[in-house]
Amino acid sequence: KNQVEQSPQSLIILEGKNCTLQCNYTVSPFSNLRWYKQDTGRGPVSLTIMTFSENTKSNGRYTATLDADTKQSSLHITASQLSDSASYICVVSEGGNYQLIWGAGTKLIIKP
Amino acid sequence: GAVVSQHPSRVICKSGTSVKIECRSLDFQATTMFWYRQFPKQSLMLMATSNEGSKATYEQGVEKDKFLINHASLTLSTLTVTSAHPEDSSFYICSATRTSAETQYFGPGTRLLVL
Repeated sequence: KNQVEQSPQSLIILEGKNCTLQCNYTVSPFSNLRWYKQDTGRGPVSLTIMTFSENTKSNGRYTATLDADTKQSSLHITASQLSDSASYICVVSEGGNYQLIWGAGTKLIIKP
Repeated sequence: GAVVSQHPSRVICKSGTSVKIECRSLDFQATTMFWYRQFPKQSLMLMATSNEGSKATYEQGVEKDKFLINHASLTLSTLTVTSAHPEDSSFYICSATRTSAETQYFGPGTRLLVL
């Protein structure tokens, strides 16, 4: 069964600190993996998208990694800001039909 | 570019009434639009996929007669929740793509509360 699992479920860190969110998937065949940021009460916003051949991709203070062999991805946030408080969702696109398999998300809270 | 809007952003209605939610792609033509539902503290759940000019494809467990989807133009799709019940209260989000293989661009969502 195609699944995307994220950890931790929630995370609280102090402003200025770094953090790493994890995503493990069993989706096959694989097309691409995306990280979205979703503010409370808003639609998701794409942060990064990586295909099979890409190991890392950055978007400002966000850096995503992908290990297609172990089917793991991570999202690293550097020098966190209060505005980073949101849910971060890992989404894997199934090859062929492009069906999106959504993770449950990690709720990140940045405290001053 | 790639801006998607939704209207209304919030709606409160009485049980038994119908509610229409609009999803518009503002600066591109969307051949495919998706409708999602999100309950509190849960991830998005795909309800249906609609292609312009054809009938929507509903996910298993989603009642097509209750959630009417119309994708009459390349920039507009509507979701009508018919005979709404309190359990339909949720956050409804649409997304749009130029082609089914492209990145989905999400709208800001519509919060529906059925009393």
